Amino acid sequence: EADIYQTPRYLVIGTGKKITLECSQTMGHDKMYWYQQDPGMELHLIHYSYGVNSTEKGDLSSESTVSRIRTEHFPLTLESARPSHTSQYLCASSETGDLNIQYFGAGTRLSVL
Amino acid sequence: GQQLNQSPQSMFIQEGEDVSMNCTSSSIFNTWLWYKQDPGEGPVLLIALYKAGELTSNGRLTAQFGITRKDSFLNISASIPSDVGIYFCAGHRNNDMRFGAGTRLTVKP
Repeated sequence: EADIYQTPRYLVIGTGKKITLECSQTMGHDKMYWYQQDPGMELHLIHYSYGVNSTEKGDLSSESTVSRIRTEHFPLTLESARPSHTSQYLCASSETGDLNIQYFGAGTRLSVL
Repeated sequence: GQQLNQSPQSMFIQEGEDVSMNCTSSSIFNTWLWYKQDPGEGPVLLIALYKAGELTSNGRLTAQFGITRKDSFLNISASIPSDVGIYFCAGHRNNDMRFGAGTRLTVKP
């Protein structure tokens, strides 16, 4: 059982609002990831981090930003939400090393009206 | 970036039937992983494969790491209604993880 938590699970907000999606893991993993996934579709990597103060953009361009001030915490922020940001956001973490099994949180389903 | 080619895209089967799905790539991977995702939840790891030719089972699930390191398959035997969900393959190589587009499985009682 993976110990990675995302909050909120569901969020409905109006256009232009600033939001932060929280992700925390208690496994001491150095690597953390954010994926964007439309319902029933493939996962697209939008951000990743290999450790504290390290953040990189993923394959899919995103207007969101991330920070990694603590090992266990990897929040994602949207400064001004738009309807095009409506999606499911999944956070994952993995150990450093060759195995690199990614463990996922339950996701945040975001709806921007 | 390059994604994996996962097939079939969807399957509709009768309870009790066996299921097979696969993932292929033009690139070599060092690790193959299979995940299952229930609606509204995050993917959960089912099986991890680390060596070419490796065959691993987890209950009714069996997965193999292709000998060429460019493919993997997942079999589910004697399907049950709770097998419903989306199954994703993932390949890992040099700090790079790629996911397939998923196989949506529906099991009719």
